[in-house]
Amino acid sequence: AQKITQTQPGMFVQEKEAVTLDCTYDTSDPSYGLFWYKQPSSGEMIFLIYQGSYDQQNATEGRYSLNFQKARKSANLVISASQLGDSAMYFCAMTETNYGQNFVFGPGTRLSVLP
Amino acid sequence: DTGVSQDPRHKITKRGQNVTFRCDPISEHNRLYWYRQTLGQGPEFLTYFQNEAQLEKSRLLSDRFSAERPKGSFSTLEIQRTEQGDSAMYLCASSPDRVDTGELFFGEGSRLTVL
Repeated sequence: AQKITQTQPGMFVQEKEAVTLDCTYDTSDPSYGLFWYKQPSSGEMIFLIYQGSYDQQNATEGRYSLNFQKARKSANLVISASQLGDSAMYFCAMTETNYGQNFVFGPGTRLSVLP
Repeated sequence: DTGVSQDPRHKITKRGQNVTFRCDPISEHNRLYWYRQTLGQGPEFLTYFQNEAQLEKSRLLSDRFSAERPKGSFSTLEIQRTEQGDSAMYLCASSPDRVDTGELFFGEGSRLTVL
């Protein structure tokens, strides 16, 4: 069964600095997708970035990049140049291609950006 | 642009009552997911539909929970004989068929409070 671990319940970062949010996963399916979502206090889930298990390059989307280390089964999110609006819960999620289609989410990391 | 819509947004009920939530996915999306999220936690997978077929159902989903997607369009999630532990945000999400390369699109959720 797939599993997502996020070991940082909360993180603080100074505005304009970079921050890394950790995510490790476990699966026996060779084909899978990894996602990061942001959930501000308003509650909506906002998709940030996707990484496929066969992608050779690390995914990037604007200020977001995904540090994908397949052998270590880690998919850390890097946010560069943090902004006050980045303060939110961040969830790592995973879906397997061959062993079921559900998305599994991690417990989340609460990021607080300090002015 | 019509996103995923959920109704009602808030529901307060007394223990023992039945409640029903409705989700209207993005029109061209074949896949529909229901999740439950409690405060400070990640979304927990409940069930998943491909068109009208319910393909996966979490062990978390007790016999009091039932979900349908009768015509492969909107879906309903019914909770019978509600308990205080059912208080949570119920999230609906949809995606196109190629879920392994795409993200889930979430609705704003239906918040249930059981008194």
